[in-house]
Amino acid sequence: DTGVSQDPRHKITKRGQNVTFRCDPISEHNRLYWYRQTLGQGPEFLTYFQNEAQLEKSRLLSDRFSAERPKGSFSTLEIQRTEQGDSAMYLCASSFDRGSYNEQFFGPGTRLTVL
Amino acid sequence: AQSVTQLGSHVSVSEGALVLLRCNYSSSVPPYLFWYVQYPNQGLQLLLKYTSAATLVKGINGFEAEFKKSETSFHLTKPSAHMSDAAEYFCAVSGGSGGYQKVTFGIGTKLQVIP
Repeated sequence: DTGVSQDPRHKITKRGQNVTFRCDPISEHNRLYWYRQTLGQGPEFLTYFQNEAQLEKSRLLSDRFSAERPKGSFSTLEIQRTEQGDSAMYLCASSFDRGSYNEQFFGPGTRLTVL
Repeated sequence: AQSVTQLGSHVSVSEGALVLLRCNYSSSVPPYLFWYVQYPNQGLQLLLKYTSAATLVKGINGFEAEFKKSETSFHLTKPSAHMSDAAEYFCAVSGGSGGYQKVTFGIGTKLQVIP
């Protein structure tokens, strides 16, 4: 399977703990995106990378959130001092740069539950 | 900023009946428009996309959508519903001040197919 993979698929944590998620994009894709999806809502854009450079961050991405893509391949999303409001599905997507339009391929998501 | 409005958070159709899921968009520049499908506990799969070519777009699984600029609409249709079509469908847009990398999703429409 050469699609986008995410790990873990599910994470349960206690409020105040730190969590880290990993996304492995499709190998030739140079763009990587993170989205958050809460119950009953569509995915909301958080941030995206072109290669290792983080080019845009949403206002939704508070100081407790940090994303990295150190070698332009996999990416990690860390949430520090988790809050119950962080409970959501975190989706990763990747695409290959073809100018203005880049079809984004989504991974299965990591479902975070903060108790 | 670009946005989409999906009319009807839940739609029920009988097996074999027409599927019509409504989406209206707002964008200050010619938009790219998408329909994604999400099955339970899975990521999003692209059904079809409009990127300023033909206004009638055909996608996977027998779905199609028509871009109507005068109505700012991009409704999703399928002539005959199948049980396997039961899922959540998201309309999405890119373009405008958010740029073509940032995709903005609607809140989704859950499709129920009644046998």
